[in-house]
Amino acid sequence: ETGVTQTPRHLVMGMTNKKSLKCEQHLGHNAMYWYKQSAKKPLELMFVYNFKEQTENNSVPSRFSPECPNSSHLFLHLHTLQPEDSALYLCASSLTLGGGREKLFFGSGTQLSVL
Amino acid sequence: DQQVKQNSPSLSVQEGRISILNCDYTNSMFDYFLWYKKYPAEGPTFLISISSIKDKNEDGRFTVFLNKSAKHLSLHIVPSQPGDSAVYFCAARVNSGGSNYKLTFGKGTLLTVNP
Repeated sequence: ETGVTQTPRHLVMGMTNKKSLKCEQHLGHNAMYWYKQSAKKPLELMFVYNFKEQTENNSVPSRFSPECPNSSHLFLHLHTLQPEDSALYLCASSLTLGGGREKLFFGSGTQLSVL
Repeated sequence: DQQVKQNSPSLSVQEGRISILNCDYTNSMFDYFLWYKKYPAEGPTFLISISSIKDKNEDGRFTVFLNKSAKHLSLHIVPSQPGDSAVYFCAARVNSGGSNYKLTFGKGTLLTVNP
């Protein structure tokens, strides 16, 4: 248990569905991240939030919409996804964004399948 | 273009022997390197790191070596234990002022330690 909880663990959705992924961290961290891991590809950074403010959008398509209502919660809203969006979506947090050797603490991920 | 490469998708080692996981990088601006370990159905967890000003960092059974001239780092696990069986990710960070949180990951190496 890393202190970062993601729900659901698995999600199957059609291309016309709207769903949301949820992440909650209990570590008192101020920065939260969404990463994507596709099969046989490296982990890719999608979004970064620092003190609820988005500081990074790594050219992610608009069908992925993040939301960070507070420093402990992060959502990823999904709509009209494509089958190639099927991947493991990982949430992570860190105490701060930079100024040091900040380790990331990851959740267990949501395995998403788009049919 | 992959900046962090783990060329061995998998490695199998006998219990008690040394495991050596390799990682190559291309970006000379990377100044900090990390290894994460990932068990199935769990998120990656931080294992060990090394700054570019060092060539070795040791933590118990885990040692990371950095060869800057060759742009190569390796993770040594000795002695290897069956519980070490996991996917190991190499990651690197560019110190770009306030944005030194962005990690570039390799694809990972699956280590299997046989009893």
